Amino acid sequence: DAGVIQSPRHEVTEMGQEVTLRCKPISGHNSLFWYRQTMMRGLELLIYFNNNVPIDDSGMPEDRFSAKMPNASFSTLKIQPSEPRDSAVYFCASSFIARTGALYSNQPQHFGDGTRLSIL
Amino acid sequence: EDQVTQSPEALRLQEGESSSLNCSYTVSGLRGLFWYRQDPGKGPEFLFTLYSAGEEKEKERLKATLTKKESFLHITAPKPEDSATYLCAVQAHGYSTLTFGKGTMLLVSP
Repeated sequence: DAGVIQSPRHEVTEMGQEVTLRCKPISGHNSLFWYRQTMMRGLELLIYFNNNVPIDDSGMPEDRFSAKMPNASFSTLKIQPSEPRDSAVYFCASSFIARTGALYSNQPQHFGDGTRLSIL
Repeated sequence: EDQVTQSPEALRLQEGESSSLNCSYTVSGLRGLFWYRQDPGKGPEFLFTLYSAGEEKEKERLKATLTKKESFLHITAPKPEDSATYLCAVQAHGYSTLTFGKGTMLLVSP
């Protein structure tokens, strides 16, 4: 079975340029998560989609960051303009979440292999 | 605010030398605690979910346990291929997102 697919695996660009990261979640999953990982802060949640709708974007650092999920099989994370402090590894994860009232199922999140982003 | 603290930050073991990794957490009602393994250049790979204090789960040389304040990942007779960063995460009741610790980097030498 295909896992979560991210592209590109590596991206090096100059400050001020637009960066677009892409993610294809596992087929059948209804939830998608974007994370950023750095040595200093570890793995931080940026935004979470459920059924293609953004549910929690409180982790998005600032307006330079935006994310979309136009359909169940594709999502993008865009940084415009990029800055050197955005350099990190960005991960996408997906899972199936069923909600019954206030309870959520605990299907584990499955991660892609990340995009290593370097802003010069 | 949910918090997860993992210790030690790094651990070096000889092959066959058993040890434990610690994950301390504070959460407003634990729905689940997750352990992941992360290899260099890869995304985290799911290992276990624990739901309630006293629960234990095993997979090969790994055993995860849970109390009301912490979880342990016990590694019995580790092999070099167990070298990786091990991440712990918690999910609170009423939420579908995870809060991760910074991980423990394990190196097992032959």
